[in-house]
Amino acid sequence: AQSVTQLGSHVSVSEGALVLLRCNYSSSVPPYLFWYVQYPNQGLQLLLKYTSAATLVKGINGFEAEFKKSETSFHLTKPSAHMSDAAEYFCAVSDQGNDMRFGAGTRLTVKP
Amino acid sequence: DGGITQSPKYLFRKEGQNVTLSCEQNLNHDAMYWYRQDPGQGLRLIYYSQIVNDFQKGDIAEGYSVSREKKESFPLTVTSAQKNPTAFYLCASSIRFRGGRTEAFFGQGTRLTVV
Repeated sequence: AQSVTQLGSHVSVSEGALVLLRCNYSSSVPPYLFWYVQYPNQGLQLLLKYTSAATLVKGINGFEAEFKKSETSFHLTKPSAHMSDAAEYFCAVSDQGNDMRFGAGTRLTVKP
Repeated sequence: DGGITQSPKYLFRKEGQNVTLSCEQNLNHDAMYWYRQDPGQGLRLIYYSQIVNDFQKGDIAEGYSVSREKKESFPLTVTSAQKNPTAFYLCASSIRFRGGRTEAFFGQGTRLTVV
């Protein structure tokens, strides 16, 4: 069965610094991979998704992620953090199953 | 605009009462899901439905019930048997791509508090 592991439940960066949120997946077949963002008391919003086309995927709000099959990773990055990026981020995987599997989430804090 | 609507956004329940959370979608998606979210625990699957009149238990179904009488609607009832119902509840629907892969779309959530 597919699964994802998010390394680090909390990440703190300074405003303007690089954001790196880590996600490793497990899947027996080529997966689709997703990053979602959640602001307090709101639902999850899709940031970006990998669906076996380009390995470098660009999303909203300046985020991007790179699919690395050899490392089974799909890390999320943003060159320069903004205060508005503070939120919870979820990585998710879908292969041939009937549902998606989500990581435990990473809370991003941005310090002024 | 297409989307998923959850109502109400905030809900208060007395101990011992059943309460029903509403979830409606106009995305024409076959599959719908209910997740529970507690601080620091990510998303946990309660129930899901792949098609009308059929649904399956997820990882934490005890104390919950659902129905799927219409494609657009997937209400969740939190029964008095649920020992710790205070949580944030998220409804989602999904589309299926070639090869069986899916992508989920979420509602804005309902925060249930037992008083």
